[in-house]
Amino acid sequence: EDKVVQSPLSLVVHEGDTVTLNCSYEVTNFRSLLWYKQEKKAPTFLFMLTSSGIEKKSGRLSSILDKKELFSILNITATQTGDSAVYLCASDSWGKLQFGAGTQVVVTP
Amino acid sequence: KAGVTQTPRYLIKTRGQQVTLSCSPISGHRSVSWYQQTPGQGLQFLFEYFSETQRNKGNFPGRFSGRQFSNSRSEMNVSTLELGDSALYLCASSTVPGLADPTDTQYFGPGTRLTVL
Repeated sequence: EDKVVQSPLSLVVHEGDTVTLNCSYEVTNFRSLLWYKQEKKAPTFLFMLTSSGIEKKSGRLSSILDKKELFSILNITATQTGDSAVYLCASDSWGKLQFGAGTQVVVTP
Repeated sequence: KAGVTQTPRYLIKTRGQQVTLSCSPISGHRSVSWYQQTPGQGLQFLFEYFSETQRNKGNFPGRFSGRQFSNSRSEMNVSTLELGDSALYLCASSTVPGLADPTDTQYFGPGTRLTVL
């Protein structure tokens, strides 16, 4: 059975800290790994990863995929209160997305 | 460019009733996917449509069905509602199915919050 597991389930950090979120996956017909940010509304797209070892960056966020070990990490540096959200990873099997349970990140001032 | 729109935004039904939710994708997007989000199960894939055809289906009972029209708008229907169907139903659109283009992404609508009493 396909599964996507995220860890930790939640964490609380202070502004300025760096956080690392983990996502492991076991899926058939894997094509890409996606990261989304969800505040009190619909998920918004962050990254799509298709190749191992190639880091994607967007401002203070970065992500990398390891297709051999079947995991991905999302890093957020110099966290701000606006980074507080649930971060979701999802595996894409040619249009069928399997989501992890998400990591709730709370950034305190 | 307008985003994905979903109607209605909120809905209250009673057990045994049926419900139809609507999704209008971003202009030019032809693939529409539906998801159910609950606190206990998280985000779960329901089905995906492209060119009026269902291409992928998740592990939901037959009470959950959908369709797509020629203008790419999509509807999903849930018959014989159960209390456990209370959830946020999200639809997402992309230009092509399977996110085949590495630069393609799947954009989510605001969701329809369904409450079953």
